[in-house]
Amino acid sequence: DGGITQSPKYLFRKEGQNVTLSCEQNLNHDAMYWYRQDPGQGLRLIYYSQIVNDFQKGDIAEGYSVSREKKESFPLTVTSAQKNPTAFYLCASSMGRTGGAYEQYFGPGTRLTVT
Amino acid sequence: DAKTTQPPSMDCAEGRAANLPCNHSTISGNEYVYWYRQIHSQGPQYIIHGLKNNETNEMASLIITEDRKSSTLILPHATLRDTAVYYCIARRNAGGTSYGKLTFGQGTILTVHP
Repeated sequence: DGGITQSPKYLFRKEGQNVTLSCEQNLNHDAMYWYRQDPGQGLRLIYYSQIVNDFQKGDIAEGYSVSREKKESFPLTVTSAQKNPTAFYLCASSMGRTGGAYEQYFGPGTRLTVT
Repeated sequence: DAKTTQPPSMDCAEGRAANLPCNHSTISGNEYVYWYRQIHSQGPQYIIHGLKNNETNEMASLIITEDRKSSTLILPHATLRDTAVYYCIARRNAGGTSYGKLTFGQGTILTVHP
């Protein structure tokens, strides 16, 4: 089945530790995204990537880092510099790089709790 | 991207049509209207999108007014599994400086009752 997988579903970390969230897609999509969702809130864009080895900051990139070494993978690292890392993290992908209306497909999310 | 306004909550009886309105009075000519929904603790699910014409797929229908200032998402026969938060988003094409970003507002909490 084609889709987006995120692992793990739940993640617990101690404050001060870096943690990497996995996102893999087998949809052959060029673009991938990371969003953060806090309780009762909408999604906020952290980083996005239009093509392998290229990525751009979103609205709330501070304290996060990403890499895009393969088309199908876009891992997100939550660093100790992120002040409020506890949140629901969502990865998405879409087909196009330029032009057209390309809908985004989301993974199931990773719920990160930092204590 | 244009701001969208949706009612905070709506109820619908199972088996009836659910009509979810969205106001986007400042939408520009190259902005599409997208609908997503999010069931509790899951990732958002794409439903449908349109530019000017009405659209229909296996999940829903999208009715866009002629002046494009508002739209309605129609779930023709709502089921209990359609209970979710529904988001209406106005967004330009992929490409350009606002590439890719989906701005999710508060959405409409749709509750389908037995």
